[in-house]
Amino acid sequence: ETGVTQSPTHLIKTRGQQVTLRCSSQSGHNTVSWYQQALGQGPQFIFQYYREEENGRGNFPPRFSGLQFPNYSSELNVNALELDDSALYLCASSMGVRSETQYFGPGTRLLVL
Amino acid sequence: KNEVEQSPQNLTAQEGEFITINCSYSVGISALHWLQQHPGGGIVSLFLLSSGKKKHGRLIATINIQEKHSSLHITASHPRDSAVYICATSPLSGSARQLTFGSGTQLTVLP
Repeated sequence: ETGVTQSPTHLIKTRGQQVTLRCSSQSGHNTVSWYQQALGQGPQFIFQYYREEENGRGNFPPRFSGLQFPNYSSELNVNALELDDSALYLCASSMGVRSETQYFGPGTRLLVL
Repeated sequence: KNEVEQSPQNLTAQEGEFITINCSYSVGISALHWLQQHPGGGIVSLFLLSSGKKKHGRLIATINIQEKHSSLHITASHPRDSAVYICATSPLSGSARQLTFGSGTQLTVLP
């Protein structure tokens, strides 16, 4: 148990819809990173939030956006869903942006039809 | 841009065998992570390495900074070790701890 939770565990959407995925970090962890993991691949970095501000972004379009709240929870929003967005979405929390140790949640599996 | 490659992609072993998974990367890093991912999807951190060798139970991880290479060894493998093992690197610079991941090694240990 890492103390990081994600909801929902599974989700099915159709192309063009919007989705919000949620992550609850460990208490005191002010940094959260989001990753997308396609089937059979390693995770890809989407973005990181530190103290409620975006602090770095991977190669993902603007329709991927996020929010981080003072209560150590965060959201990943994806607009205009595409079939290729089907993946496991992982969040990971850490204490500070320079912290090497990240604690991963169990992930949300998104299927876009 | 850092490229992280793992080998083998798939590995099947008999219970009790010694297992080695390799990871190589292309640019300097501040640290390397070995992670374990079970079929449900959740990822557990096994090791965080910046130099040398670490051991935890039957697991051993080594890193050679000059050769940009790391290995994960499992001694006396057991069916419960069956999982995907992923290496990931942390960059030397940058404001975000943006991990770069390998594609993973699917390990199956047969009884």
